[in-house]
Amino acid sequence: KNQVEQSPQSLIILEGKNCTLQCNYTVSPFSNLRWYKQDTGRGPVSLTIMTFSENTKSNGRYTATLDADTKQSSLHITASQLSDSASYICVVTPISGTYKYIFGTGTRLKVLA
Amino acid sequence: EAGVAQSPRYKIIEKRQSVAFWCNPISGHATLYWYQQILGQGPKLLIQFQNNGVVDDSQLPKDRFSAERLKGVDSTLKIQPAKLEDSAVYLCASSLVEGTEQYFGPGTRLTVT
Repeated sequence: KNQVEQSPQSLIILEGKNCTLQCNYTVSPFSNLRWYKQDTGRGPVSLTIMTFSENTKSNGRYTATLDADTKQSSLHITASQLSDSASYICVVTPISGTYKYIFGTGTRLKVLA
Repeated sequence: EAGVAQSPRYKIIEKRQSVAFWCNPISGHATLYWYQQILGQGPKLLIQFQNNGVVDDSQLPKDRFSAERLKGVDSTLKIQPAKLEDSAVYLCASSLVEGTEQYFGPGTRLTVT
């Protein structure tokens, strides 16, 4: 069964600190792996998208990495800000005729002043 | 470019009542998705439309949920009658065509009491 698991479930850090969120997946083969940010009361917004052949993608202070051998991805947030407080969702799209998004359960990040 | 619009943003109803949600996708997007997101979980696909035709409704509880996309633009999702376990955020997303980037609306938070 295709699965996407994320850890930790929740995380609290101080403003200015770095953090790394993990995503392990069993979906194989896949076409894309995305990281979304979901603010409370909002819909998910795409942060990064990587194909199976890419191993890193940056978007400002957000850097996603992908290790296709170990089936792991991480999202690194540098110099965190209060506005980074949100849920971060890893989404994998399998190579198939359906292009369905397979969502992780997310990591809830809280950045404190 | 306007994003995906949804209304209402919040709704509180009693169990066994009916409720309807509305979604207006990004102009020109042929594919429209309705997701259910229960607190602490990733979104679950309820139904996917391609223009005004249903592509996938395998996870839609058809005894109580219905959806339509007349004229291939706006869509409505209805629950009748609602149950306590329907309390969730209902997200609408659209993409240019199937398999391309999905853009999410802000969601409708439903509370069933």
